[in-house]
Amino acid sequence: DAGVIQSPRHEVTEMGQEVTLRCKPISGHDYLFWYRQTMMRGLELLIYFNNNVPIDDSGMPEDRFSAKMPNASFSTLKIQPSEPRDSAVYFCASRPPGTLMTEAFFGQGTRLTVV
Amino acid sequence: AQSVTQLGSHVSVSEGALVLLRCNYSSSVPPYLFWYVQYPNQGLQLLLKYTSAATLVKGINGFEAEFKKSETSFHLTKPSAHMSDAAEYFCAVSLNNAGNMLTFGGGTRLMVKP
Repeated sequence: DAGVIQSPRHEVTEMGQEVTLRCKPISGHDYLFWYRQTMMRGLELLIYFNNNVPIDDSGMPEDRFSAKMPNASFSTLKIQPSEPRDSAVYFCASRPPGTLMTEAFFGQGTRLTVV
Repeated sequence: AQSVTQLGSHVSVSEGALVLLRCNYSSSVPPYLFWYVQYPNQGLQLLLKYTSAATLVKGINGFEAEFKKSETSFHLTKPSAHMSDAAEYFCAVSLNNAGNMLTFGGGTRLMVKP
């Protein structure tokens, strides 16, 4: 398996533009997580899905952020409009079904820079 | 609520010296605990995990961690640091609650001096 695949790896955009980050989880995993990592706040959970259904979005910072999972093999995180303070590395992770002792598998991340 | 605290956001050791990265959790029930490592410009990868089978857990790259219930700790150690160990390390906890998410500590950046 290729692991969790995120695209793009790097994104530079202008303030006010819409940004879409993409994630393909590992096949068979039914949990998908979106995290944001910054120097100031560390690793924050934004939202997670189970079987394509959003379970907890309390970490989504503002209404400008939205996430979807239209099927088991694809998820998007959208920021509209983007702001410079959204600059961060965004990680997607997936986790297989079963017990809580299973670990999450992370993608390589998308480094977002909003100028 | 579950939480994880990593003491020391930065740790510096000399090559060949003992590595000790601290992690304490707060939970009224035994948790599942994980250590992840993040190399520069990479995602997080699992080092090891505690699943109650054994209190001393061995992971990749010579790392190990010991679960101590009395101290609510899960510290990560390595007898002899290598330059290649320089990275950020995250402790995470997973509890038997309605949500199936990992909660991460703030991370510890390990620097290894030659």
